[in-house]
Amino acid sequence: KNQVEQSPQSLIILEGKNCTLQCNYTVSPFSNLRWYKQDTGRGPVSLTIMTFSENTKSNGRYTATLDADTKQSSLHITASQLSDSASYICVVSDRGSTLGRLYFGRGTQLTVWP
Amino acid sequence: EADIYQTPRYLVIGTGKKITLECSQTMGHDKMYWYQQDPGMELHLIHYSYGVNSTEKGDLSSESTVSRIRTEHFPLTLESARPSHTSQYLCASSTPQGTISGANVLTFGAGSRLTVL
Repeated sequence: KNQVEQSPQSLIILEGKNCTLQCNYTVSPFSNLRWYKQDTGRGPVSLTIMTFSENTKSNGRYTATLDADTKQSSLHITASQLSDSASYICVVSDRGSTLGRLYFGRGTQLTVWP
Repeated sequence: EADIYQTPRYLVIGTGKKITLECSQTMGHDKMYWYQQDPGMELHLIHYSYGVNSTEKGDLSSESTVSRIRTEHFPLTLESARPSHTSQYLCASSTPQGTISGANVLTFGAGSRLTVL
């Protein structure tokens, strides 16, 4: 069964600290993995997208890694800011169709305290 | 800034009412989607469209219907709302990400939060 599991479910950190969010998946055949940020009451916004051949990709203070062998990805946030408080969703796409079916994780709810 | 708009943002209605959630995008994307999201849960695809006059049901069974008469417009309708329809509804559109097969990058609207009493 194709699944995407994220951990932790929620996380609280102090402003300025770093944190790492985890994503494990069983989706096969794998096409690409995306990380989205969803602010409360808003739609998700894409942070990064990685294919099988990419191990790491950065977007400002966000760095995503991908290990396609172990089917794991992480999202590292450096020097956190209050505006980083949001849900971070891992999404994996398969290669089963031209649409590329998407499998969503339940997200990690990050809260950054001042 | 996302160029995909959803209205209404919030709606509280009584059981049995007919409602339409509007979704419009100005990016000229062919593919559009409706997702349903409950708190703490993953997004579930309920409808999608490849283009004008094309609509398909998604993974999650839904009593809603959609139409795609114009490229930019993808409304979702519930003929008779029930409390079980209470949820957040997210509209999205996508375009291929360069040459990456299957990597359609989704742009989401802000969502419509529906509460049925």
